[in-house]
Amino acid sequence: GENVEQHPSTLSVQEGDSAVIKCTYSDSASNYFPWYKQELGKRPQLIIDIRSNVGEKKDQRIAVTLNKTAKHFSLHITETQPEDSAVYFCAASYGNTGKLIFGQGTTLQVKP
Amino acid sequence: SAVISQKPSRDICQRGTSLTIQCQVDSQVTMMFWYRQQPGQSLTLIATANQGSEATYESGFVIDKFPISRPNLTFSTLTVSNMSPEDSSIYLCSVEEGPTDEQFFGPGTRLTVL
Repeated sequence: GENVEQHPSTLSVQEGDSAVIKCTYSDSASNYFPWYKQELGKRPQLIIDIRSNVGEKKDQRIAVTLNKTAKHFSLHITETQPEDSAVYFCAASYGNTGKLIFGQGTTLQVKP
Repeated sequence: SAVISQKPSRDICQRGTSLTIQCQVDSQVTMMFWYRQQPGQSLTLIATANQGSEATYESGFVIDKFPISRPNLTFSTLTVSNMSPEDSSIYLCSVEEGPTDEQFFGPGTRLTVL
């Protein structure tokens, strides 16, 4: 079946450094790729997303890149802060159905 | 974005019983989904809740175990039937909304089955 692979599973960085999380998807019909941040005990929060018609999208310290040919997309966080510490999930749509397949998650720790 | 609420927020249940989880949205939405998040794991789609018709279930999930209702465009319920400890999870509803059909999650229901 369709799946999304996410790496790394854990990531520890110093405050101020950059963090990169990578995902690979299998469904060539996927056209929507959101990223969610989940703090402990909280719901997943949408932080940024990208659609298949663009290669990069930026929102302040967060950016997402998409390579449709290679079926890769990545989350980039610059100037990390301790409040960025959380679990981050990538997801890909089942074609254009709206249903999402999630990656396994990355636990990001930003050390002060 | 829409305000999404779930009831109950948490519950502890005995095996063999059933629990119905409610998801309420403050605006009409076309697409509603139910996900399961097992402890320390990612999110897995259970089903799409279709308004006025039977839910569409993903592989590994069946209607007898997870019956879903969607009587209107603002409300849905998920029942976890004949529960076992393996059903201990967080159950989340989500809705698709906005001009770009972004998906937002409810606060989740933390279920523990003893």
